[in-house]
Amino acid sequence: DGGITQSPKYLFRKEGQNVTLSCEQNLNHDAMYWYRQDPGQGLRLIYYSQIVNDFQKGDIAEGYSVSREKKESFPLTVTSAQKNPTAFYLCASSYRTETQYFGPGTRLTVL
Amino acid sequence: KQEVTQIPAALSVPEGENLVLNCSFTDSAIYNLQWFRQDPGKGLTSLLLIQSSQREQTSGRLNASLDKSSGRSTLYIAASQPGDSATYLCAVRRRETSGSRLTFGEGTQLTVNP
Repeated sequence: DGGITQSPKYLFRKEGQNVTLSCEQNLNHDAMYWYRQDPGQGLRLIYYSQIVNDFQKGDIAEGYSVSREKKESFPLTVTSAQKNPTAFYLCASSYRTETQYFGPGTRLTVL
Repeated sequence: KQEVTQIPAALSVPEGENLVLNCSFTDSAIYNLQWFRQDPGKGLTSLLLIQSSQREQTSGRLNASLDKSSGRSTLYIAASQPGDSATYLCAVRRRETSGSRLTFGEGTQLTVNP
């Protein structure tokens, strides 16, 4: 089954804790993206990667980190420096500038 | 900085109506524009993608138009059905030498009543 998977579906974080959200794709796409969505709002870009071992900050990168060691994987770490991490996180991938395909999302809640 | 606005924020219509969702953007130097559908608590599904050189795209009951010079796009849904109820998001891709970043609007929440 081709597509993008995100795990876990729900994630709970304690204050001061780092957590990592997984994103995997088997579409052979070069580019991958991480977005954050807050209730009633559109998506905001956190980080994106055009090729393996390279990534760029988006509009709201502070308090987040990423890695792109494999073409298929683009994990996002939400660090303790992110002061308001409760949100819905969406991962996407695309072949160059073509349509972005989205995963099902991870809902992160801070306890 | 590119800004994308969608009007209305919410729309409720009876089944069978034709409807129009609006999207406007401030910087006309775009590469393409994309319309997405999002069901509650789910990811996004791409509906239509219009390249900057195109005027419109059609898929089934959906038709999207693009007027780049005026910074506007519309999504037309014909003969709406309860299954069309969802949030519709438009996004523009910037012209940049590095990256292919999308800027999203806040979405229009559509409810189609049986």
